Amino acid sequence: NAGVTQTPKFQVLKTGQSMTLQCAQDMNHNSMYWYRQDPGMGLRLIYYSASEGTTDKGEVPNGYNVSRLNKREFSLRLESAAPSQTSVYFCASTLLPGQGMTEQYFGPGTRLTVT
Amino acid sequence: DAKTTQPPSMDCAEGRAANLPCNHSTISGNEYVYWYRQIHSQGPQYIIHGLKNNETNEMASLIITEDRKSSTLILPHATLRDTAVYYCIVRANYGGSQGNLIFGKGTKLSVKP
Repeated sequence: NAGVTQTPKFQVLKTGQSMTLQCAQDMNHNSMYWYRQDPGMGLRLIYYSASEGTTDKGEVPNGYNVSRLNKREFSLRLESAAPSQTSVYFCASTLLPGQGMTEQYFGPGTRLTVT
Repeated sequence: DAKTTQPPSMDCAEGRAANLPCNHSTISGNEYVYWYRQIHSQGPQYIIHGLKNNETNEMASLIITEDRKSSTLILPHATLRDTAVYYCIVRANYGGSQGNLIFGKGTKLSVKP
């Protein structure tokens, strides 16, 4: 099992450009999440998908859109990148939505710089 | 979800036990205590979780006080590879759709030779 994979690992964008961050998991998990982490900070939730076909906003959704393409894949799109979106982006998944007994598995992250 | 308080940093000698404290004085009866860690530049890694009783797995032990207002994560024999930021997270066992974790700034543990 590869677990949670993310592409790309690194990306540099100019202000106003768009891009899509890809995330896939092979653990047959139901719920998937996108977090961002700014330097010296903890992770903040951008969007999540409790199950295939559903998505919901997290703490910091502005400037982002998501697509739960199927059970395995959950993508994050920046339509018009801004320097404030420079961050490390982590995707995560968990077996069951909202279950206290289930841990989240994280991908390796995508390091995005917007100039 | 209850708020947690952790010291910003701690040091530990290699081979010794690392004891990382966490205060969660406003924890509710249905909230679990989770611990994750993040080794530099990597995604967070699950360590352990518990509700009331002490828990142990191959990575660590979790000691929760009887009143559940604080807990301690114990790494019994710390190695240099345990140098990381450790996050204590309190989260309810939701019946609904929201299962996200709320990360604070955590404790930066430095294991020294």
